[in-house]
Amino acid sequence: SQTIHQWPATLVQPVGSPLSLECTVEGTSNPNLYWYRQAAGRGLQLLFYSVGIGQISSEVPQNLSASRPQDRQFILSSKKLLLSDSGFYLCAWSPTGEKLFFGSGTQLSVL
Amino acid sequence: RKEVEQDPGPFNVPEGATVAFNCTYSNSASQSFFWYRQDCRKEPKLLMSVYSSGNEDGRFTAQLNRASQYISLLIRDSKLSDSATYLCVVNGAGGTSYGKLTFGQGTILTVHP
Repeated sequence: SQTIHQWPATLVQPVGSPLSLECTVEGTSNPNLYWYRQAAGRGLQLLFYSVGIGQISSEVPQNLSASRPQDRQFILSSKKLLLSDSGFYLCAWSPTGEKLFFGSGTQLSVL
Repeated sequence: RKEVEQDPGPFNVPEGATVAFNCTYSNSASQSFFWYRQDCRKEPKLLMSVYSSGNEDGRFTAQLNRASQYISLLIRDSKLSDSATYLCVVNGAGGTSYGKLTFGQGTILTVHP
């Protein structure tokens, strides 16, 4: 069966520090991969999605970037965090671009 | 108009009650529809897909009205464990990206004894 791993679960970072969140999927090949952010009291916002290695699409201009160095690995990064980057970050995968299966999320607090 | 819009609630209902949530979407070309459930500080989990003919899964019934562009979720015989945020999700609502699922803000349900 397929599983998705996302870490860390919680992260507290100072403003201006770098960020790296990692997500891996097991038990499938060539999945569609996604990064979402959920700010407090708001809906999920799609940040990036990828349909293959090295293929990244950005949905909104922002302070973040994403990379997919391997088929089942998706990384979310920032060189310098802003206060507004705080939120609940969710990695997800989909076999077909339809139903999404989420990782357990990372609660990021930028102070 | 938001791409996917839900009444945020909260809905507070007693155990055993029937409760219904609606969701509207703006893009008439949207292809597929889902309800997800999200517990506090947890990831969303797929509850059920929504099919054109309507579908049922135990106490949960989902319906789609393409003409009016809305989706509904009906929960019968509410349990305490049904307390969560219910997210309406539409595929293709943005009309631009492959596999782009757009989430509503969610409807908060609290079932009390």
